[in-house]
Amino acid sequence: QSALTQPASVSGSPGQSISISCTGTSSDVGGYNYVSWYQQNPGKAPKLIIYGVTNRPSGVSHRFSGSKSGNTASLAISGLQAEDEAHYYCNSYTTSGTLVFGGGTKLTVL
Amino acid sequence: EVQLVETGGGLIQPGGSLSLSCAASGFTVSSNYMNWVRQAPGKGLEWVSVIYGGASTYYADSVKGRFTISRDDSQNTLYLQMNSLRAEDTAVYYCARDYGGVGQLDYWGQGTLVTVSS
Repeated sequence: QSALTQPASVSGSPGQSISISCTGTSSDVGGYNYVSWYQQNPGKAPKLIIYGVTNRPSGVSHRFSGSKSGNTASLAISGLQAEDEAHYYCNSYTTSGTLVFGGGTKLTVL
Repeated sequence: EVQLVETGGGLIQPGGSLSLSCAASGFTVSSNYMNWVRQAPGKGLEWVSVIYGGASTYYADSVKGRFTISRDDSQNTLYLQMNSLRAEDTAVYYCARDYGGVGQLDYWGQGTLVTVSS
């Protein structure tokens, strides 16, 4: 049950686009289209922003999008806004019937 | 309105036991996949356990044999019994609903802090 690999930090200026990667194995990310992404602000519970690799829950901005290629999933954020500054986590369903999270990525809006 | 409220956190000595509760409203716990996820201070999210269906359960290797997830359908409440606690179990513990049972954690509680220290 090794954690999925995410970059520790990414940054971008307002209006720019950024991408956060989430790398696993064929036993998790690569084996299923069951990758979700979460946004977490300080002192708050995580919020689901992408599920099933590419799907957005109702109310989540269209600026957030997800994709996957092989064992790596990605979260893209377009038109960066100051309010996007937060920690972002991916998770995946695994062949063991468990879940695994990524280590998290701190997004800084410059 | 869907709501999850965790209680039971606190300060406990190493080797001790603690039981967390997660009271749900707005949906039926027994009809859903219910998870515990924890977050050590300043660290990332770590999946802990899931319960679903007729009470099938899975655990992370880090807690297997020490933690037990359960639910009370009459109270619509999820539980986590934690035994043989270690310093590395110190974390905020969240309960979360998994819509579909494949990691889509759509509702989360506010979390409850467990501190294991002498």
